[in-house]
Amino acid sequence: QVQLQESGPGLVKPSETLSLTCGVSGYSISSGYYWGWIRQPPGKGLEWIGNIHHSASTYYNPSLKSRVTISADTSKNQFSLKLSSVTAADTAIYYCARVLLNFGYWGQGTVVTVSS
Amino acid sequence: QSALTQPPSASGSPGQSVTISCTGASSDVGDYNYVSWYQQHPGKAPKLMIYEVTKRPSGVPDRFSGSKSGNTASLTVSGLQAEDEADYYCSSYAGSNNYVFGTGTKVSVL
Repeated sequence: QVQLQESGPGLVKPSETLSLTCGVSGYSISSGYYWGWIRQPPGKGLEWIGNIHHSASTYYNPSLKSRVTISADTSKNQFSLKLSSVTAADTAIYYCARVLLNFGYWGQGTVVTVSS
Repeated sequence: QSALTQPPSASGSPGQSVTISCTGASSDVGDYNYVSWYQQHPGKAPKLMIYEVTKRPSGVPDRFSGSKSGNTASLTVSGLQAEDEADYYCSSYAGSNNYVFGTGTKVSVL
């Protein structure tokens, strides 16, 4: 059974960089699929952030592209999200997921608050 | 890319059916048969309920069904049960490895 688990700081200061990691078990990320990040601001809907392919190609939401970097560490079977120059609008639950034309497996999510 | 449009709320009595619409554009819903639906209970991660417009993952009850016509996809929940009360989101592939989600619909079981 594929399982994903997000980890990282729960509090980030404005203008700094948000960094999260998604650990994957039950499947090797280098074997296939895309691996992605989605976020959900408090009381609001889901927003796709971006994906990384097992070949390391990356794809980002155009509205966030200038601030987002997704990378993978196949030796640790995990992938990461960096979001720069954060503001209060980036406060959200951040989810990681396995992606192949749909979001089939999700992590439990991690809350990130942007505040000084 | 703009969020897909869903009604904010929908409701039905136990045993009845409820249908949720998801309206996009010719560049996403209208162009690809890669619409998926997610159920999210409070405080929980979303769960895939329908993929590729009509397909159900293993373990999802056949009370859940999907369809699409033009730029609008729909999710129907038949034989409503108390545990179906949740938020539902649609999503569509939008080409060039981009994805877009719907605005979300809160389903209430009366």
